[in-house]
Amino acid sequence: AQSVTQLDSQVPVFEEAPVELRCNYSSSVSVYLFWYVQYPNQGLQLLLKYLSGSTLVESINGFEAEFNKSQTSFHLRKPSVHISDTAEYFCAVSDPNAGNMLTFGGGTRLMVKP
Amino acid sequence: NAGVTQTPKFQVLKTGQSMTLQCAQDMNHEYMSWYRQDPGMGLRLIHYSVGAGITDQGEVPNGYNVSRSTTEDFPLRLLSAAPSQTSVYFCASSKGNTYNEQFFGPGTRLTVL
Repeated sequence: AQSVTQLDSQVPVFEEAPVELRCNYSSSVSVYLFWYVQYPNQGLQLLLKYLSGSTLVESINGFEAEFNKSQTSFHLRKPSVHISDTAEYFCAVSDPNAGNMLTFGGGTRLMVKP
Repeated sequence: NAGVTQTPKFQVLKTGQSMTLQCAQDMNHEYMSWYRQDPGMGLRLIHYSVGAGITDQGEVPNGYNVSRSTTEDFPLRLLSAAPSQTSVYFCASSKGNTYNEQFFGPGTRLTVL
């Protein structure tokens, strides 16, 4: 069975500071990895994904994540956060035993302070 | 395109009542799914469908039924509501395999008293 662990439930950070949201997964098979973002009172939106190829993937709003197979991690980073980045972030893996539906981590609430 | 729509936005039920959460998408996506979101637990898969007439169970299917008679609609039925089903429910759809982006609806917040 797949599982995803997000090590921090909340991450407070000041505006323009760097941030890292940690994600570890376990799986006995190759998986696809995703980060989704949920702004307050909204549904989830895809932020970025790793399918294959380059282990560093980037989003259009400055986030990046690196797939590390040996450490089974997919940490999300941003060098300088904005107030508008305040949201909950979910790491997820595809589950080949469930039609490749997603198994999510518990979420990390990023709180950017002025 | 409206994307993925869900109704109602909010619902309060009494224990033992039944209801149907509606989900529709207008993107001609084959894959649809239902998740529930609980604090600290992320989203957990309830049921999913890879096409009209095909459904399967996810991680937490007990107490819920689904059907997929059309590509567009994927309703979730609560047979006899229990307080443990108090949650926020999200419907999602994707084109083909789910390594493609899943599009989520705005959610239904359900309280069972």
